[in-house]
Amino acid sequence: RKEVEQDPGPFNVPEGATVAFNCTYSNSASQSFFWYRQDCRKEPKLLMSVYSSGNEDGRFTAQLNRASQYISLLIRDSKLSDSATYLCAMSAQNYGQNFVFGPGTRLSVLP
Amino acid sequence: EPEVTQTPSHQVTQMGQEVILRCVPISNHLYFYWYRQILGQKVEFLVSFYNNEISEKSEIFDDQFSVERPDGSNFTLKIRSTKLEDSAMYFCASSELAGGSNEQFFGPGTRLTVL
Repeated sequence: RKEVEQDPGPFNVPEGATVAFNCTYSNSASQSFFWYRQDCRKEPKLLMSVYSSGNEDGRFTAQLNRASQYISLLIRDSKLSDSATYLCAMSAQNYGQNFVFGPGTRLSVLP
Repeated sequence: EPEVTQTPSHQVTQMGQEVILRCVPISNHLYFYWYRQILGQKVEFLVSFYNNEISEKSEIFDDQFSVERPDGSNFTLKIRSTKLEDSAMYFCASSELAGGSNEQFFGPGTRLTVL
């Protein structure tokens, strides 16, 4: 089983739709979790950290399910500008540890 | 807003040559990283650096690679005797340490093309 898995997509959704992605991981020692977005040929940009209790930032909601070893990202009222690849990342220690990235899920928001 | 910067944005080199990729991490950050992303593939960890020494490295980071913090601001990745398969985007990242989170912030990357 791969360390971090994501559905590669693409997810093609109309503007205004709600879309959700999951990211499953195999290393139960993973402690810190993040969602990044990556535009074509650009750097990963931090979207949000994922907290155990779940967290929300505007139209974005992230959740962690430790028992089933996955994190999720929900995007509400999707905009054209949300079109990107969404990467999950995690580390095994809370500070200064390398990140393991998932392969990414591609989202296309259509007019 | 402080950001990580990288130079050059694109480096073309001949196989067997040495290249040095440069990064300026965010000024109050103490952990520095190099990642690479081969076209169409996932972002892969290469090395992390703290307190002037390597704290962790992946199996990709073999003797061909080295890192250095030559002064108080720059962080470099040297690739000796480049191979065709070294062609990739190389991202530098940095994060805070104590009292902060380990959120890593990435630079815009250097696209390395080995011919």
